Amino acid sequence: KNQVEQSPQSLIILEGKNCTLQCNYTVSPFSNLRWYKQDTGRGPVSLTIMTFSENTKSNGRYTATLDADTKQSSLHITASQLSDSASYICVVFDRGSTLGRLYFGRGTQLTVWP
Amino acid sequence: EADIYQTPRYLVIGTGKKITLECSQTMGHDKMYWYQQDPGMELHLIHYSYGVNSTEKGDLSSESTVSRIRTEHFPLTLESARPSHTSQYLCASSESSSGRKTYNEQFFGPGTRLTVL
Repeated sequence: KNQVEQSPQSLIILEGKNCTLQCNYTVSPFSNLRWYKQDTGRGPVSLTIMTFSENTKSNGRYTATLDADTKQSSLHITASQLSDSASYICVVFDRGSTLGRLYFGRGTQLTVWP
Repeated sequence: EADIYQTPRYLVIGTGKKITLECSQTMGHDKMYWYQQDPGMELHLIHYSYGVNSTEKGDLSSESTVSRIRTEHFPLTLESARPSHTSQYLCASSESSSGRKTYNEQFFGPGTRLTVL
C-alpha cells in the first residue's frame, strides 16, 4: 500500500532555532518528492521538488534531503522565524499512472515561539 | 504566487442547500483537481479533470459533482449539503506532463472552508 508517513506530528521551537522534519514513504514507482508549506486556512505552497537522482535541494532557509534507497526524506529549517509556523506536508508523486498520483502525508504542524 | 482562485473563502449554510464552489486558474493548465482536507489530516483527491469536457472521480468518494466547460474554470457543486460535508475544499491545477516537464507540479488555490449546519 502506497503511504507517506511524517514525524513528528507537531513541533514547537523557539525563534532562531533549527529543526528537522522527517518523511518516510512506500510509494512505488517513485517519480519525485515534494515538500509543501501550508499556512492555516490556506492552500499548500511548494517549497522543494526532488527527483530520484537528487539527494539535496535548498530553497532559502529550507533544505530538503532525499534517500531514495531507504525511502526517507527530511526538511531542515535553519534560523526559524515566526512566519515559519505552518503545516509542512511531504508529498510523493507516483509516475505509474496517466494522471500521476500524489500521495500526501498528514503534515507536521510547526509552531515557532518568540 | 500561483494564479489560481477560489470563491467563496468561507461558507456557512444550512442543511439541504445547493452550493457551488468556484475555482479558476489563469495559467492555461490542462489538469485541474479538487481535494478535501479535514483538520490535521491529509488531502484526499475527490475529482480531477484532464481538460475541457473531462471529469473523473478521485480516490475519496464524494457526493459532489464537477464540470469543466472551460479550461480555466472547474466548479464543484453539492446538490444538497449535509453536516458531513463540512470540510476544507482545495482546488489545484497543473500542466500536462510532456517531454522535460515531468514534475507535474500542482499549484493550489487558497481553499474554501465549508460549514454545513
